[in-house]
Amino acid sequence: DTEVTQTPKHLVMGMTNKKSLKCEQHMGHRAMYWYKQKAKKPPELMFVYSYEKLSINESVPSRFSPECPNSSLLNLHLHALQPEDSALYLCASSQGGRLPGPIKGPYNSPLHFGNGTRLTVT
Amino acid sequence: SQQGEEDPQALSIQEGENATMNCSYKTSINNLQWYRQNSGRGLVHLILIRSNEREKHSGRLRVTLDTSKKSSSLLITASRAADTASYFCATFSSGSARQLTFGSGTQLTVLP
Repeated sequence: DTEVTQTPKHLVMGMTNKKSLKCEQHMGHRAMYWYKQKAKKPPELMFVYSYEKLSINESVPSRFSPECPNSSLLNLHLHALQPEDSALYLCASSQGGRLPGPIKGPYNSPLHFGNGTRLTVT
Repeated sequence: SQQGEEDPQALSIQEGENATMNCSYKTSINNLQWYRQNSGRGLVHLILIRSNEREKHSGRLRVTLDTSKKSSSLLITASRAADTASYFCATFSSGSARQLTFGSGTQLTVLP
């Protein structure tokens, strides 16, 4: 079991549905991440939150909308997805998230991953 | 974009043998990390090696880093069936990109 909890484990949704993925960690980490992973491929970064503020958006389509209500929670709101969005969505957290803006020091801590949400868009 | 490339893409060995996986990357890095992913699960951090380190050990794992060649290797000694998983290297750029970028991964199968 991981210290990062993702719900639901599996999700099937139609292209007109609205759903949300949830992620929770209680390790006091201040950086949280969403990754997308297709079968037999490495994870691809989608979003990074640092101190509850969006720090990185890797040109993700607007049908994916992240939200960080507090330092322990991270949501990913889904709307009007396409079948090609079917994938494993992974949440991760790490220590040492710095404030947005020019970074003078790296996020050099290991990432702690949840077990992901397997999303199927029909 | 993918920072690291790993080889081999797939590796199959017998239990008890050693497994070596290689990772190459393109830009200057602050550190390089190795992760393991069991099928359908999240990634688990294995080891982090900083750019000023050349070798690091953790249990049956040995990681080397050659910044002049922009490459790293992960050695798993005395492999077990439970080591069967995908292994990814990941680099944290020392430039302005403040993100961890994963390599293409090696699928390791350890046969009992």
